[in-house]
Amino acid sequence: GAVVSQHPSRVICKSGTSVKIECRSLDFQATTMFWYRQFPKQSLMLMATSNEGSKATYEQGVEKDKFLINHASLTLSTLTVTSAHPEDSSFYICSATQDKNTGELFFGEGSRLTVL
Amino acid sequence: QKEVEQNSGPLSVPEGAIASLNCTYSDRGSQSFFWYRQYSGKSPELIMSIYSNGDKEDGRFTAQLNKASQYVSLLIRDSQPSDSATYLCAVDSWGKFQFGAGTQVVVTP
Repeated sequence: GAVVSQHPSRVICKSGTSVKIECRSLDFQATTMFWYRQFPKQSLMLMATSNEGSKATYEQGVEKDKFLINHASLTLSTLTVTSAHPEDSSFYICSATQDKNTGELFFGEGSRLTVL
Repeated sequence: QKEVEQNSGPLSVPEGAIASLNCTYSDRGSQSFFWYRQYSGKSPELIMSIYSNGDKEDGRFTAQLNKASQYVSLLIRDSQPSDSATYLCAVDSWGKFQFGAGTQVVVTP
């Protein structure tokens, strides 16, 4: 399957700082990437759809000024959590579709954010 | 009503037995269906995809789809301790993925 790489895998930051998470498709071009958030023992919650060369599409209830998404190239999307607070602590996962016909979604390794 | 529903479990399965996982979905227009396995603290990995009614087998895994009943299932034969994980059902509705909450499977030696 396709390879999606995410970095960093773990980050601990102080309240009020900003954190950037990178998501790369290593062996294919992804015009669309997806960002999810997952709390313990809960399912994946789609935060936004990242579109190369255009603005991200955010899900209802997700603050676009809080979670900045940039999809600068066909292989890279970034999520920046601005002015992070302890309630932003979560597991953030990016994903991409290699083949739009099959629709199979491949996930990055995930980034565990802890805000102190 | 949740769009994709699964029993949360845990589903306890003796080693070597068959694990049966169920998933129902609400959107009749859904076209593609997936099963992901997620180990604790890790991101999901795709194990099966199914697009048409009937059964699809891949190794020890069999996915079953019944669009009329809006039901998709996953069977794991000869369950191994390494199969212990949370299994997420995902439904692709017009390009938008919806995930179930997942079923935790525990394979006991």
